[in-house]
Amino acid sequence: QKEVEQDPGPLSVPEGAIVSLNCTYSNSAFQYFMWYRQYSRKGPELLMYTYSSGNKEDGRFTAQVDKSSKYISLFIRDSQPSDSATYLCAMSAKGGKLIFGQGTELSVKP
Amino acid sequence: GAVVSQHPSRVICKSGTSVKIECRSLDFQATTMFWYRQFPKQSLMLMATSNEGSKATYEQGVEKDKFLINHASLTLSTLTVTSAHPEDSSFYICSARPTGQGDAYEQYFGPGTRLTVT
Repeated sequence: QKEVEQDPGPLSVPEGAIVSLNCTYSNSAFQYFMWYRQYSRKGPELLMYTYSSGNKEDGRFTAQVDKSSKYISLFIRDSQPSDSATYLCAMSAKGGKLIFGQGTELSVKP
Repeated sequence: GAVVSQHPSRVICKSGTSVKIECRSLDFQATTMFWYRQFPKQSLMLMATSNEGSKATYEQGVEKDKFLINHASLTLSTLTVTSAHPEDSSFYICSARPTGQGDAYEQYFGPGTRLTVT
């Protein structure tokens, strides 16, 4: 079993839709939870970072962490074509290395 | 701020040759840099962690004699793929952690280098 599981998609939605991206994990020591956006042939860029459980909102993006269920989510409201990219979840224990999910390929159609 | 560059962005080489990839932190110092590998539609896999002035720490299954890492300054780490073979073709991404930062999320990624071995 992989430490981090993420549905690879692809996911296609119309412009303006609410997008839900999810990851599950098995290591209860993970404390830091990140979402990265990666455009084709580019390096990942950090979108959201959450420490431990809870919600965090930044503009159209909301990250949720449920440590009891070992489940994290990223919601994108009012999705735009420019949001089309691969979204990677990543997590780590304190002082540990980043463990990435497989990435979900998202396409937002105008 | 927090920009990381990689050079070259793309490289094609013949089987058996060696290729060097540079990773630079442009506006901050980085005691620690990381090298990842990413196959198409797959996750980033950590290959090694390099610390300035000391030997790199390689992940299990990564051949240290094949993937030579040098972190000679606080702004530069290099990855040399020695005697490259077609199976080494991949997208190599580095990241850099600003000196003084200790948590895993505090690393900034470069744009990646696409290596194709023919």
